[in-house]
Amino acid sequence: ENVLTQSPGTLSLSPGERVTLSCRASQSIRSNFFAWYQHKPGLAPRLLIHGASGRATGIPDRFSGSGSGTDFTLTISRLEPEDFAVYYCQQYFSSPPTFGPGTKLEIK
Amino acid sequence: QVQLVESGGGVVQPGRSLRVSCVASGFSFTTHAMHWVRQAPGKGLEWVAFVSYDGSETYFADSVRGRFTISRDNSRNTLFLQMNSLRAEDTALYYCAKGVYHYDSLTAYDQWGQGTQVTVSS
Repeated sequence: ENVLTQSPGTLSLSPGERVTLSCRASQSIRSNFFAWYQHKPGLAPRLLIHGASGRATGIPDRFSGSGSGTDFTLTISRLEPEDFAVYYCQQYFSSPPTFGPGTKLEIK
Repeated sequence: QVQLVESGGGVVQPGRSLRVSCVASGFSFTTHAMHWVRQAPGKGLEWVAFVSYDGSETYFADSVRGRFTISRDNSRNTLFLQMNSLRAEDTALYYCAKGVYHYDSLTAYDQWGQGTQVTVSS
């Protein structure tokens, strides 16, 4: 299976800052079948980005995704208080679909 | 709006069975494939199972294949996960999820339920 690695595991930042989260795959992901999710405790995961760079419905434009092959990034241009959460990457190019272990974004 | 509401979780002994359900509303359930994804305590997300829009195709993660069955009742807009021979490592919050792509087993998931907790313990 395609193993996804996310870095860093935890990030401590302040509202207003810009952040880039990384996800690396053990095998190349073609056709950009790649997604990012935001997950807060007690809530359902929320799809942010799919197709590596396409924002899901209702997602603010401060969230952007990029990358190809084995390296993908999620950038939040200016952190809002509600953005502090765990972020997961996912590949859906090859079976089984797999998720990264997550990056926790916490308030500094 | 789209709603996915899971139920049926609980505490069950190792080796026993449990069936969890997910009632869908707000979209055309009968034309969408559906998925189960779980999250073990302190762990990340793990895809568990897929069922096609008409129930004719099913796929499973290696960790549950042969023990879990996924099915659906399109007349009741309901998705099921039958879990047999449960193990401690099956303890998790189980989410049902709808894919961005209506028919594909490989997809991002644009709608999720709140999850139902399954705890396997003696």
